[in-house]
Amino acid sequence: GAVVSQHPSWVICKSGTSVKIECRSLDFQATTMFWYRQFPKQSLMLMATSNEGSKATYEQGVEKDKFLINHASLTLSTLTVTSAHPEDSSFYICSARGGGGVYEQYFGPGTRLTVT
Amino acid sequence: KQEVTQIPAALSVPEGENLVLNCSFTDSAIYNLQWFRQDPGKGLTSLLLIQSSQREQTSGRLNASLDKSSGRSTLYIAASQPGDSATYLCAVQTGANNLFFGTGTRLTVIP
Repeated sequence: GAVVSQHPSWVICKSGTSVKIECRSLDFQATTMFWYRQFPKQSLMLMATSNEGSKATYEQGVEKDKFLINHASLTLSTLTVTSAHPEDSSFYICSARGGGGVYEQYFGPGTRLTVT
Repeated sequence: KQEVTQIPAALSVPEGENLVLNCSFTDSAIYNLQWFRQDPGKGLTSLLLIQSSQREQTSGRLNASLDKSSGRSTLYIAASQPGDSATYLCAVQTGANNLFFGTGTRLTVIP
């Protein structure tokens, strides 16, 4: 149980375009989802936290107008990178947490974004 | 703010050797500590989760310990295998939505 999927697993887009990444909890209801990014040989950095039906909370330094997060249902959150630039190229990983006071996060397999 | 450090940054050992990875954190007020494995270009695989009230957890050849008061955790891998080669990350949970990751240890097990 507690499986989280991401789609796509990798994507290449041209500079200036937008790309959407989906994160789904497959066998549980995720009241909270998290989006992380990871640069090569670095650790995961939290970008934002989203609760179902609410606006996402962004970490300091993360542009909310550039990284649009929608958590429309208890099993789906999306991250849209708008007007992508080469410096947005990174590995994006989502995680999901259920409710009931259980804090453990379950991680998706990640999405490799390359902006050319 | 919680800071999590892992030493060493990289480790190379011959197959069959036992090894220890270290993780330290600055704020002992944690809910749990978790060890993950990450293969190149892949997501995270959870290995062990230790609640703040626990001192260790074991799974197969892996044993993780937690000394919350000193802000330290170790991951012990017995009889290492080439398939253990990966980056190992520790992360501490300080709140419902607060998970802080360490810098990782890149392990290479040489056949």
